[in-house]
Amino acid sequence: EDKVVQSPLSLVVHEGDTVTLNCSYEVTNFRSLLWYKQEKKAPTFLFMLTSSGIEKKSGRLSSILDKKELFSILNITATQTGDSAIYLCAVEEGTSGSRLTFGEGTQLTVNP
Amino acid sequence: ETGVTQTPRHLVMGMTNKKSLKCEQHLGHNAMYWYKQSAKKPLELMFVYNFKEQTENNSVPSRFSPECPNSSHLFLHLHTLQPEDSALYLCASSQDLQIYNEQFFGPGTRLTVL
Repeated sequence: EDKVVQSPLSLVVHEGDTVTLNCSYEVTNFRSLLWYKQEKKAPTFLFMLTSSGIEKKSGRLSSILDKKELFSILNITATQTGDSAIYLCAVEEGTSGSRLTFGEGTQLTVNP
Repeated sequence: ETGVTQTPRHLVMGMTNKKSLKCEQHLGHNAMYWYKQSAKKPLELMFVYNFKEQTENNSVPSRFSPECPNSSHLFLHLHTLQPEDSALYLCASSQDLQIYNEQFFGPGTRLTVL
């Protein structure tokens, strides 16, 4: 059974801190790993990772994938209160057609 | 404005009711999705449609019945639901079936089954 596990499930930090969110997975036919940020209702896309060792970066956020060890991390540096959200990791798998399996998410709270 | 709208935004229904959720996208996309997000559980992909044809059904109970009359509209018909079906139902769309990096989500319908 395909599985995506995120850790920690919740995290409380102060503004300016750096955080690392983890996502490990077990899927049959891996295609890509995606990170989303969910603030109120609709998740918004952050990164799509397909190759090991290549860092994707967007402002203070960055992410990297390790296909050998089957995990990804999402880093947020110099956190701000606006970074408070649920961060979702999802793995796309399949050879024909695609299926997405989501992790439970990490609830990040950034306090001023 | 994400370009994906969902109605109603909130719905309370009894177990014997029949209701429908509606999703509309104004982005010219060809693929549309239904997701279920329950409290303390991972987001679950329910159905996938590509060019109005259903391509995925993730073992969803038959009390959930999707309908995609055209590429811009997606419905989820509900009947004889259970209280455990209470959740946030999210619709999403993407240009093509496998380009998840361009997937846009609607605001969701918060469903409560009494």
